[in-house]
Amino acid sequence: AQSVTQPDIHITVSEGASLELRCNYSYGATPYLFWYVQSPGQGLQLLLKYFSGDTLVQGIKGFEAEFKRSQSSFNLRKPSVHWSDAAEYFCAVGATGGGNKLTFGTGTQLKVEL
Amino acid sequence: EAGVAQSPRYKIIEKRQSVAFWCNPISGHATLYWYQQILGQGPKLLIQFQNNGVVDDSQLPKDRFSAERLKGVDSTLKIQPAKLEDSAVYLCASSLRQTFYEQYFGPGTRLTVT
Repeated sequence: AQSVTQPDIHITVSEGASLELRCNYSYGATPYLFWYVQSPGQGLQLLLKYFSGDTLVQGIKGFEAEFKRSQSSFNLRKPSVHWSDAAEYFCAVGATGGGNKLTFGTGTQLKVEL
Repeated sequence: EAGVAQSPRYKIIEKRQSVAFWCNPISGHATLYWYQQILGQGPKLLIQFQNNGVVDDSQLPKDRFSAERLKGVDSTLKIQPAKLEDSAVYLCASSLRQTFYEQYFGPGTRLTVT
């Protein structure tokens, strides 16, 4: 069965600083990987996804993520954080044979200091 | 394009009472998902429908939870009777098809069981 680990529960960064959120996955085959963002009282919004091909994936809102098979990681990055990026971020892995079933990590809460 | 609609947004009930949640997916989306998100955790899939058929309900506590999608459009999730540990946000999502098209999430229903 697949699983996702997000080792950082909370992260605080200053506005304008760079950001990296960590995600490690466990899956027996090539995974489908996703990053979602959840603002308070809102549903989840897809930031980016990796299915195959180029291991550096560009997403919305200036985010990118890099798939590293050797490290079983899919870390999310942004070069300059804005105050509006404060939210909770979830990494998810999809089972390629399981009808689009997603397994989510426990999330990382991002706080942005002005 | 209208997003995924859910109602109610908030519900407070006492344990052993019943509750129902409603979801209307994006028009034309064949696949519908119900997730449970307990505070501090990532969403967990409860049930997945493809049109009006169940694809995966392996994590649905069937002794108290039920769900239906009778006409392949909107869906209802019911809990009867509720327990304290059912307090969570219940998220509905939909996707165009089953094969890793993006899942679009609704705003969720926050359930508090007292």
